[in-house]
Amino acid sequence: RKEVEQDPGPFNVPEGATVAFNCTYSNSASQSFFWYRQDCRKEPKLLMSVYSSGNEDGRFTAQLNRASQYISLLIRDSKLSDSATYLCVVTAYSGGGADGLTFGKGTHLIIQP
Amino acid sequence: EADIYQTPRYLVIGTGKKITLECSQTMGHDKMYWYQQDPGMELHLIHYSYGVNSTEKGDLSSESTVSRIRTEHFPLTLESARPSHTSQYLCASSDSVSAEAFFGQGTRLTVV
Repeated sequence: RKEVEQDPGPFNVPEGATVAFNCTYSNSASQSFFWYRQDCRKEPKLLMSVYSSGNEDGRFTAQLNRASQYISLLIRDSKLSDSATYLCVVTAYSGGGADGLTFGKGTHLIIQP
Repeated sequence: EADIYQTPRYLVIGTGKKITLECSQTMGHDKMYWYQQDPGMELHLIHYSYGVNSTEKGDLSSESTVSRIRTEHFPLTLESARPSHTSQYLCASSDSVSAEAFFGQGTRLTVV
């Protein structure tokens, strides 16, 4: 079983719609969670951290469910510019601080006009 | 804006040549990483470092080598480039407390 699993999509969504996707992780010691966005042929960029209480940034909402070991990303009122690949990232902590990053394969989102 | 830089951005080189891809960060991060990514495909971790003089191989077997002599510098070397090494190479660094990672813009390598 992969440590971090995402539905690769593609998700084809009409502009203005709400879209949500999940990411499951297998390491119960994972403590930090992030969503990254990667545009075609560009480097990944941090979209938002995911906190235990959930967090919202404009049209984007991230949630963490520790019991079921998944995180989610919700995008409201989707824009054409939201088309990208969304990467789920988790990391655990040990005595030396945060351990390495574990990336999911990414979910490909296409917003259609 | 992330302070992590990769050079060169693009490189076309002949088979058998030795190349070094440079990566530098000015954020004082202990952890640095090299990923390999083909177009439309997932990121594959090929090397990582948790500090000076610390280097480890990642999940994907790679014929490249790395060094970490200074905190800010994490170069990747291919002793003898082959067409199968054609790919994009992404360098990243992360903070040990927040774990947030920042990526360089990548080096797109083509071996002919």
